Amino acid sequence: DQQVKQNSPSLSVQEGRISILNCDYTNSMFDYFLWYKKYPAEGPTFLISISSIKDKNEDGRFTVFLNKSAKHLSLHIVPSQPGDSAVYFCAASGIGRSARQLTFGSGTQLTVLP
Amino acid sequence: DAGVTQSPTHLIKTRGQQVTLRCSPKSGHDTVSWYQQALGQGPQFIFQYYEEEERQRGNFPDRFSGHQFPNYSSELNVNALLLGDSALYLCASSTISGSQETQYFGPGTRLLVL
Repeated sequence: DQQVKQNSPSLSVQEGRISILNCDYTNSMFDYFLWYKKYPAEGPTFLISISSIKDKNEDGRFTVFLNKSAKHLSLHIVPSQPGDSAVYFCAASGIGRSARQLTFGSGTQLTVLP
Repeated sequence: DAGVTQSPTHLIKTRGQQVTLRCSPKSGHDTVSWYQQALGQGPQFIFQYYEEEERQRGNFPDRFSGHQFPNYSSELNVNALLLGDSALYLCASSTISGSQETQYFGPGTRLLVL
């Protein structure tokens, strides 16, 4: 039972255009959501997060949108750069004791074409 | 400011053996979590240590055990290795900020069981 799903295993985008990565979740107790980027042979790098009390959080070229009613979040990267090519993981945590563990999606491989 | 460090980077073991992986958290962090990442999947939560005690555990057998030291560093031990234990083992450190934790990952230890 996958509680966090990233249904697109891969995405290709032209340099300078917008990249949109999507994530769906099923557990209504999740209240904190994070995006990580992972290069080969490295650990995941934290990118941006959003609390369930917000619907948008922005940090430079990265914006995360949260739609609680649809249990859906997305990561927008504008403009996309070749260095953004990596695997992107969506993760979620709950409240109280379940705030202590992250539940990850299976990842989306983003390729930004020059 | 040193990030999360892990050792060794790679390890080859045979079935039935035991392995110990090590992690030093990011400066200022007091909590260490361990994750297993199989090929093509997102990381899966093994357990979390805080104040030298296991605070929460994921769905992993008792063959997986851990320890946290007074300096907050941690070890992951796996006994009676199986072929299916071959994976990337990730350590993440964190500290509570408000009601939420943002976990920062190390580069991982790649374990191959033959």
